Amino acid sequence: DQQVKQNSPSLSVQEGRISILNCDYTNSMFDYFLWYKKYPAEGPTFLISISSIKDKNEDGRFTVFLNKSAKHLSLHIVPSQPGDSAVYFCAARKEYGNKLVFGAGTILRVKS
Amino acid sequence: NAGVMQNPRHLVRRRGQEARLRCSPMKGHSHVYWYRQLPEEGLKFMVYLQKENIIDESGMPKERFSAEFPKEGPSILRIQQVVRGDSAAYFCASSRGDGYTFGSGTRLTVV
Repeated sequence: DQQVKQNSPSLSVQEGRISILNCDYTNSMFDYFLWYKKYPAEGPTFLISISSIKDKNEDGRFTVFLNKSAKHLSLHIVPSQPGDSAVYFCAARKEYGNKLVFGAGTILRVKS
Repeated sequence: NAGVMQNPRHLVRRRGQEARLRCSPMKGHSHVYWYRQLPEEGLKFMVYLQKENIIDESGMPKERFSAEFPKEGPSILRIQQVVRGDSAAYFCASSRGDGYTFGSGTRLTVV
């Protein structure tokens, strides 16, 4: 039962343009959402998060949008840079929970 | 302040052998989580431990897998009698209660 889904296995974007990575979830008990970035042979590193009481959170070039009614979130990266090329994982957590439920990831390639 | 340290980075075991994966959390972190990533999949939660206690093991296979986090020393994920399907990347994360930091993982290959 995939509670967190990233339906695009890969995305290719030109340097300087916007990258939009999407994530859908099915469990309405999730109340906190995170994005992680992962390079090959390394562990995931935290990128940005959003609580269910918000619909947007911004940190530099990264913005996460949450649409609770659609159970959908997205990560926007603008402008995209070649160093952003990595696998991006969406993750969700229940209120008062500790464990994260991850999506399968989206490979982002930023071409220079 | 070193990050989360996992060793070994790569581990090769023959079918039927035992695999021991070690995780030293960040200094001051008393919560440890183990996740497994199978090829082409996301990370799947296995177990959550605090010092000397297993808090949530709902993601652990019922047989052959065990985890501990002793008062002294690293957390250990132990897989007995490994099978080819155990081949995966195993990631450990630690926290003080909120906000994970992941280690670089142990890639287990069963031949």
